[in-house]
Amino acid sequence: GIQVEQSPPDLILQEGANSTLRCNFSDSVNNLQWFHQNPWGQLINLFYIPSGTKQNGRLSATTVATERYSLLYISSSQTTDSGVYFCAVISSGSARQLTFGSGTQLTVLP
Amino acid sequence: GAGVSQSPSNKVTEKGKDVELRCDPISGHTALYWYRQSLGQGLEFLIYFQGNSAPDKSGLPSDRFSAERTGGSVSTLTIQRTQQEDSAVYLCASSLLGQGARNTIYFGEGSWLTVV
Repeated sequence: GIQVEQSPPDLILQEGANSTLRCNFSDSVNNLQWFHQNPWGQLINLFYIPSGTKQNGRLSATTVATERYSLLYISSSQTTDSGVYFCAVISSGSARQLTFGSGTQLTVLP
Repeated sequence: GAGVSQSPSNKVTEKGKDVELRCDPISGHTALYWYRQSLGQGLEFLIYFQGNSAPDKSGLPSDRFSAERTGGSVSTLTIQRTQQEDSAVYLCASSLLGQGARNTIYFGEGSWLTVV
């Protein structure tokens, strides 16, 4: 099945700093989503972005489908941004389930 | 409803007992997924339902696990003869369309299961 790799696995930032999280995938996809899992376990959908670029406030994401990677940018980070960020994809083949990466644990210090 | 609703939010059960977890997807969503997440781990796919098609059960870890979806809406995940390794958060998700579709998948808040 499709492989999803995220980097870095852990990231510690000072409040106000910017960061870039990366997601590499091994096959073509027709669905790619970024999620934020808060400390209570809730998965919040950030972006549906199988290709192109989107922005939502301090967050933006870019997927280059032909090169099989996606980037999540967090600008002016806040302590509430802490948590685990997951990239998840559905391959363009017969698979129907969303395959998750192992996540990036982000800690933003005050 | 406005979002994916799961119940119970927390369940503590004794080893060997059966448990049922319920998921009510977003109204009109035809695709429904179950995942589980053990403490500090990633998300593990369990089962997928799409309309009236046969479910994709390829992720169910053993025959103690089963799921059904009645009327194309509410789904129940049943774990028989629970074991301690079944302790995890069980997450349900739904989307408007399934295979090959380009739609956002939304998750519920999960059911935290502890087997003692």
